[in-house]
Amino acid sequence: NAGVTQTPKFRILKIGQSMTLQCTQDMNHNYMYWYRQDPGMGLKLIYYSVGAGITDKGEVPNGYNVSRSTTEDFPLRLELAAPSQTSVYFCASIGTGGEKLFFGSGTQLSVL
Amino acid sequence: GDSVTQMEGPVTLSEEAFLTINCTYTATGYPSLFWYVQYPGEGLQLLLKATKADDKGSNKGFEATYRKETTSFHLEKGSVQVSDSAVYFCAHSTDSWGKFQFGAGTQVVVTP
Repeated sequence: NAGVTQTPKFRILKIGQSMTLQCTQDMNHNYMYWYRQDPGMGLKLIYYSVGAGITDKGEVPNGYNVSRSTTEDFPLRLELAAPSQTSVYFCASIGTGGEKLFFGSGTQLSVL
Repeated sequence: GDSVTQMEGPVTLSEEAFLTINCTYTATGYPSLFWYVQYPGEGLQLLLKATKADDKGSNKGFEATYRKETTSFHLEKGSVQVSDSAVYFCAHSTDSWGKFQFGAGTQVVVTP
């Protein structure tokens, strides 16, 4: 059982480049989330999805986009990378009625 | 608005020492409370939870009691080990779709 899988683990981008962070889960969870973790700031919710075809903004959505075409996949898109997007990104999922978040191992992104 | 406040780290302890990490929260309604742990290079994992007032969550020697009157959920362990070195996050959830509010995290370093 793989759980939540994120790729890549590390990435360095130049300002203005774009990239997609991949996230997939094999637990048939309806709810999926993208968080960013900045030092000393805890986790901030970027976007979330309550099911295939449904997405919504979290606390810090600016500069990001998401899609949810299948239950399994929830990619996060950065269109024009900025230094402020340097962070560690975590994807997470939870089943309907559940209270335990399952996290991926994270993507460390640096924008230089 | 809803928030979670936990003590700043790092907390440095010797092996077999007693650990307490304070956590307080503000929330509308009746939240479920959680402690998540993040080991180096990994995503967060659920450590323990409590869903109603006076409930005690426990796991791996860690305990926390849901104190509604003081809006607190302090984490304790009687005798820490080097393997307990990690970042600990307090969190709550009040929404049916699993929206979590995380604290900033407390780094714990246990030395032999």
